[in-house]
Amino acid sequence: DADVTQTPRNRITKTGKRIMLECSQTKGHDRMYWYRQDPGLGLRLIYYSFDVKDINKGEISDGYSVSRQAQAKFSLSLESAIPNQTALYFCATSDFNNEQFFGPGTRLTVL
Amino acid sequence: GQQVMQIPQYQHVQEGEDFTTYCNSSTTLSNIQWYKQRPGGHPVFLIQLVKSGEVKKQKRLTFQFGEAKKNSSLHITATQTTDVGTYFCAGAGANNLFFGTGTRLTVIP
Repeated sequence: DADVTQTPRNRITKTGKRIMLECSQTKGHDRMYWYRQDPGLGLRLIYYSFDVKDINKGEISDGYSVSRQAQAKFSLSLESAIPNQTALYFCATSDFNNEQFFGPGTRLTVL
Repeated sequence: GQQVMQIPQYQHVQEGEDFTTYCNSSTTLSNIQWYKQRPGGHPVFLIQLVKSGEVKKQKRLTFQFGEAKKNSSLHITATQTTDVGTYFCAGAGANNLFFGTGTRLTVIP
């Protein structure tokens, strides 16, 4: 969905490096989410935010942090990347009814 | 914690055969959503079910929400190659969604 964009789309990094994944949306939604997708495990929620001043941990927040710089921007950071953080990362937005609109995803590889 | 289990994990069908995926929650859900992810793509919302026992149809797709609001199913009649992808259910918790593990559908022409 072109309304939700993610950068970069692909990233290869080394163990111990700090990585930031960025998400922007033009849908005007207050709610934004970061998910991680691994084969056979579905989508797991990392962090979510219901407005600029609101940050909440999801199911698997350890090793990650987020920043909600504005209504339209929600970034995910890996302070010190490790190989088991290799995954496909999706940003999503929603309004109050929770229908999620996903970005195209970022494929992250940690060597 | 809340869990949403989905079966089967994989399904291969001949084109024209029917397909069903099932979703079960450990807790009662306020609503359930279904998403489709094409190979190499991102999840796309299909439908939301809210009421106990609700049944909704979208062309060849039929969605059901159980009476106890703890299970749901997606049935595709006469599959086509365009149905290929992974289907996820997502149960609504207090503040967010809990996604099932997904069912990957392969349609053999």
